Amino acid sequence: QVQLQESGPGLVKASQTLSLTCTVSGDSMFTFSHYWSWIRQPAGRGLEWIGRISSSGSTYYNPSLKSRVTISVDKSRNQFSLGLTSVTAADTAVYYCAGRQRGQGDIDGLDVWGQGAAVSVSS
Amino acid sequence: QSVLTQPPSVSAAPGQTVAISCSGGSSNIETNFVFWYQHLPGTAPKLVITDDDRRPSGIPARLSGSKSGTSATLRITGLQTGDEADYYCGSWDTVLPGLVFGGGTRLTVL
Repeated sequence: QVQLQESGPGLVKASQTLSLTCTVSGDSMFTFSHYWSWIRQPAGRGLEWIGRISSSGSTYYNPSLKSRVTISVDKSRNQFSLGLTSVTAADTAVYYCAGRQRGQGDIDGLDVWGQGAAVSVSS
Repeated sequence: QSVLTQPPSVSAAPGQTVAISCSGGSSNIETNFVFWYQHLPGTAPKLVITDDDRRPSGIPARLSGSKSGTSATLRITGLQTGDEADYYCGSWDTVLPGLVFGGGTRLTVL
């Protein structure tokens, strides 16, 4: 059974870069899924899609975050990462990594998720 | 402001039926699949409806999804206290482009 685990600093200073990594265990990441995504949830608010990366390395980003976001992959480590630059208090949220098992339906239905990593931005 | 619109909250008694609506537009719901997620505080969101109206393995038949035009609905019958959660709809938006979610609906089982 595939499992995802987010890791990274829980506290980031304003104006700096937030960096998180998602480790995929239980299967080779692109054998299991075509795409891997990042989603976040600020406290008291709803889910916000950040972006995704494909097996070929192509990326899609949320237009509202595109200028600050980078998603990359390290296939040898079965990991993908999120970088978010110039963070502010508005970036304080729980960050999730997620994917869709091949053959289970449309790629946008995310059926495997990490437990989430809480990140706070301090001034 | 979310691209997809959901009611903030719904409630019903155990055993009853509740419907949660999700309103979008021609660039998302009308032309792309709709997904529904159940989210309990402190846990990972769980996909409960995929591709408009299909249940992933392990999701009970009490949950069903439907879509008409630019709107979608999640229906839960035979409500149980364990159904209390936040529910989110999601769909790909072709114009953005990107994955968009509704603002979420808090289901309370009275």
